[in-house]
Amino acid sequence: AQSVTQPDIHITVSEGASLELRCNYSYGATPYLFWYVQSPGQGLQLLLKYFSGDTLVQGIKGFEAEFKRSQSSFNLRKPSVHWSDAAEYFCAYLYKKTSYDKVIFGPGTSLSVIP
Amino acid sequence: EPEVTQTPSHQVTQMGQEVILRCVPISNHLYFYWYRQILGQKVEFLVSFYNNEISEKSEIFDDQFSVERPDGSNFTLKIRSTKLEDSAMYFCASSQPTGGNTEAFFGQGTRLTVV
Repeated sequence: AQSVTQPDIHITVSEGASLELRCNYSYGATPYLFWYVQSPGQGLQLLLKYFSGDTLVQGIKGFEAEFKRSQSSFNLRKPSVHWSDAAEYFCAYLYKKTSYDKVIFGPGTSLSVIP
Repeated sequence: EPEVTQTPSHQVTQMGQEVILRCVPISNHLYFYWYRQILGQKVEFLVSFYNNEISEKSEIFDDQFSVERPDGSNFTLKIRSTKLEDSAMYFCASSQPTGGNTEAFFGQGTRLTVV
């Protein structure tokens, strides 16, 4: 079965420090991968996506992610975290079938930022 | 930029009442979805809809749930007799025909509170 795992339930970093959020997926010769961010009580905002091509993907708000097929990973990174980055982060996998697509979400990683 | 819109943003209903959550997908999209996120948990797939029929539904999507595209623009999720455990954020999404580098676009969600 398709699945997305995010090993870290909660991460705390200091403002200005670097950040890496881990994501692993199972299934798929050609994975379509996404990172979403969700502030408390808010909707899902797409940070970045990977369909094919360059394995290092740039997104909004200074985030980037690297796809590593050998490790089935799609880790999210940011070189310097801002207090406003505190939120819930979801890695997601797009499962494609002939008649529809289905987005499978990971359990999420909650990010806290210490001033 | 086109977006998926959901109404209302927050709905409070009494247990046992019927509720209809409304969504306006992006106009040229043909695939429609509902997802659910119970507070503090991950986003879960409920149902996909294409060509006026359900393509796939999850175990969560039991007989209490139904979806409909009543006209050319709206996509609705109906819960016939709400239970306390139906309290969650419900996200609508839409996508173009699959087969390429497509992605699902999510609305901002409707927070349903069952009291």
